[in-house]
Amino acid sequence: DVKVTQSSRYLVKRTGEKVFLECVQDMDHENMFWYRQDPGLGLRLIYFSYDVKMKEKGDIPEGYSVSREKKERFSLILESASTNQTSMYLCASSPGARSYTFGSGTRLTVV
Amino acid sequence: QKEVEQDPGPLSVPEGAIVSLNCTYSNSAFQYFMWYRQYSRKGPELLMYTYSSGNKEDGRFTAQVDKSSKYISLFIRDSQPSDSATYLCAMSAGIGTNAGKSTFGDGTTLTVKP
Repeated sequence: DVKVTQSSRYLVKRTGEKVFLECVQDMDHENMFWYRQDPGLGLRLIYFSYDVKMKEKGDIPEGYSVSREKKERFSLILESASTNQTSMYLCASSPGARSYTFGSGTRLTVV
Repeated sequence: QKEVEQDPGPLSVPEGAIVSLNCTYSNSAFQYFMWYRQYSRKGPELLMYTYSSGNKEDGRFTAQVDKSSKYISLFIRDSQPSDSATYLCAMSAGIGTNAGKSTFGDGTTLTVKP
């Protein structure tokens, strides 16, 4: 089974901190994605990557950046955390168009 | 207007009922149609996918795609309390730029009562 592992289930950070969310997949998938999920707003795409060192902005990239130095790892960076970035963050990977495998999510609280 | 609209719910049904979950879409380039199930505090997991129009059955679950109407459905027969979850539809074009990127509905929360 494909596994997507997110490094933390729960995180509490202070306003202004630089925050790193790590995601690792073990099935050699080309595509990786970062979403945030908020009640009433569904899944919103932050960034995605089709290949190593490549990244594309999603629908809500402001305040975030990403890094993909190796194929299996896709990191989301909050440059200066703010309270409106409190959310559930979901990483996903896929080999193509038809199926994503999601991680279990990181619930981030910024205080 | 969103590219994918999903019936918002929430839905509450008695055990054993037939459940219908529905999405409409506007992008005629979509070729792959997926349903994901998300339990509370977990990531979504792929339930089924369908390519182009038609039906696909997997146990108690049936996915239907009507591309002429831009309408997809997921039917759950003999619903069980363990089916209680949020269901997300998703779609992708599969070709061209952003071929691997899916567009998701907002989800419908289903509760099946014993």
